Amino acid sequence: GAGVSQSPRYKVAKRGQDVALRCDPISGHVSLFWYQQALGQGPEFLTYFQNEAQLDKSGLPSDRFFAERPEGSVSTLKIQRTQQEDSAVYLCASSLAKNIQYFGAGTRLSVL
Amino acid sequence: GENVEQHPSTLSVQEGDSAVIKCTYSDSASNYFPWYKQELGKRPQLIIDIRSNVGEKKDQRIAVTLNKTAKHFSLHITETQPEDSAVYFCAGGSARQLTFGSGTQLTVLP
Repeated sequence: GAGVSQSPRYKVAKRGQDVALRCDPISGHVSLFWYQQALGQGPEFLTYFQNEAQLDKSGLPSDRFFAERPEGSVSTLKIQRTQQEDSAVYLCASSLAKNIQYFGAGTRLSVL
Repeated sequence: GENVEQHPSTLSVQEGDSAVIKCTYSDSASNYFPWYKQELGKRPQLIIDIRSNVGEKKDQRIAVTLNKTAKHFSLHITETQPEDSAVYFCAGGSARQLTFGSGTQLTVLP
């Protein structure tokens, strides 16, 4: 079946612009996670949804970062007033049971 | 919160040799420890995982061991092949949140 799909794959933004990153989880997966992966580093947790409820947003680095999943399927990560330090790959993962997280290919964000 | 440390950061082995990657964690409440393989520009892919009620798990050439007392777990790859070359990440946590290590670049030399 289809895996986790993320779009766009690449995004270039000028500093100060707002961006929106989309994640389509595997159909039926209840849990959805967003991670930030800097070059040469492991993914860092940003936020977690169970259905439409955002149960943990402790990893969001600032109030410029906002995530939503209004109908419990597709999720959007929004970054307002982007800064150069926001440049990274943003990974989405979904999970149904037994903790196993399946990752998307990510969105590579470059802020100039 | 959880802190996961991973060693070594780079590892080169000859084809056919074994490779071992080690991780430690800090939170005794963590109960789930997956390992992911990530090739350049690709998504992380789960290769094996272990839960806190199990000490060892094996899947063909890959095995993982967990020592809850010492709070460390290890990945063992036997009979390495060039296609095993990639970055490997360990992680620790629960169903709600995983903390990843910083990764090990494994190179298998033909």
